[in-house]
Amino acid sequence: DSGVTQTPKHLITATGQRVTLRCSPRSGDLSVYWYQQSLDQGLQFLIQYYNGEERAKGNILERFSAQQFPDLHSELNLSSLELGDSALYFCASSDMDGETQYFGPGTRLLVL
Amino acid sequence: GQSLEQPSEVTAVEGAIVQINCTYQTSGFYGLSWYQQHDGGAPTFLSYNALDGLEETGRFSSFLSRSDSYGYLLLQELQMKDSASYFCAYSDNYGQNFVFGPGTRLSVLP
Repeated sequence: DSGVTQTPKHLITATGQRVTLRCSPRSGDLSVYWYQQSLDQGLQFLIQYYNGEERAKGNILERFSAQQFPDLHSELNLSSLELGDSALYFCASSDMDGETQYFGPGTRLLVL
Repeated sequence: GQSLEQPSEVTAVEGAIVQINCTYQTSGFYGLSWYQQHDGGAPTFLSYNALDGLEETGRFSSFLSRSDSYGYLLLQELQMKDSASYFCAYSDNYGQNFVFGPGTRLSVLP
């Protein structure tokens, strides 16, 4: 158990819909990272937050957005969903430098 | 551009030693990390090299050569439970914007 929690574990929705994925980092970690992993693919970095502020952006679509709240939990919002958005979405947390990232169990999103 | 290259698959037998190579191309580099991911599971951190040389953690060791833009993960005394995908990753800006390689699928045979 990494100490990072993600909800929900599974999500099935339809094209055009909007969903919110939630992540709670390990106690004491200020950084939260979001990744997308499509079937048999590597991890694509989406976005990073540090202590409530956006710190880095990767390959995140404009239809996707995220935020980190004062209690340090984070939410990833995915809107106007397309079939190709079906993937595993991981959240990870770390201390400031990110050398060691602790991954949550992931949310498996299926868009029908 | 930014990229990492790893072999897509490696197969070895129990008790053997296997090396998974990783080459990278990036303008900014702060260190190389390695993660293990079992099917259906989350990635778990294995090791990190900020400086050139070998880092040893139990049966796993990781090596980095900045001048060659190259690193490897060495797994010794292979066990069946080591069958998993292994990813190398780097940050091109201290603590930010992590880039993961495509992963190497290791199969350990009895």
